[in-house]
Amino acid sequence: KNEVEQSPQNLTAQEGEFITINCSYSVGISALHWLQQHPGGGIVSLFMLSSGKKKHGRLIATINIQEKHSSLHITASHPRDSAVYICAASLSYNTDKLIFGTGTRLQVFP
Amino acid sequence: EAQVTQNPRYLITVTGKKLTVTCSQNMNHEYMSWYRQDPGLGLRQIYYSMNVEVTDKGDVPEGYKVSRKEKRNFPLILESPSPNQTSLYFCASSLLGGGETQYFGPGTRLLVL
Repeated sequence: KNEVEQSPQNLTAQEGEFITINCSYSVGISALHWLQQHPGGGIVSLFMLSSGKKKHGRLIATINIQEKHSSLHITASHPRDSAVYICAASLSYNTDKLIFGTGTRLQVFP
Repeated sequence: EAQVTQNPRYLITVTGKKLTVTCSQNMNHEYMSWYRQDPGLGLRQIYYSMNVEVTDKGDVPEGYKVSRKEKRNFPLILESPSPNQTSLYFCASSLLGGGETQYFGPGTRLLVL
């Protein structure tokens, strides 16, 4: 069993739909990252969370430390949101040790 | 512009021919890492560095070497590449490690024949 699990693996949606991607982890963490990888391959950091909730535009990330679970929500989805979304667990603040989920491939159709 | 650069972006080589992939960041970050990404396996950490001359193994270090002689540079060396090292490689940096925002390079696609 992977230490960081994402679901679903693949997700298709119609433009405008509300989308949720889930990430569960089995290790103690100092922070949880959400990354976006576009079809061209580049990876961009969306959020870094250690507690609570963060919002940036139409994207919202939440984390429940007790349940070891994080979610990424996209409101009013758009075709340009089509990408692979990856969560990564940081095991400690003062190392660079990250464990990655295998990603969720999202396709949003017009 | 704050960025992480990698070179080359694409590389085709043959088994056993030593190669180096360069990584440089202009943000004065302490931490730098190398990852490989393979279908179905996701991103896996190869090596990371917490400062100049301080490096440590990640999850898949076999067949790779790194060095951190300057803060801005963190080259990845494949002394004797093999076909199972065909992959997409990413360099990343952060100010103070895993609890900070990660900045990724554009990736290097390597094919070892």
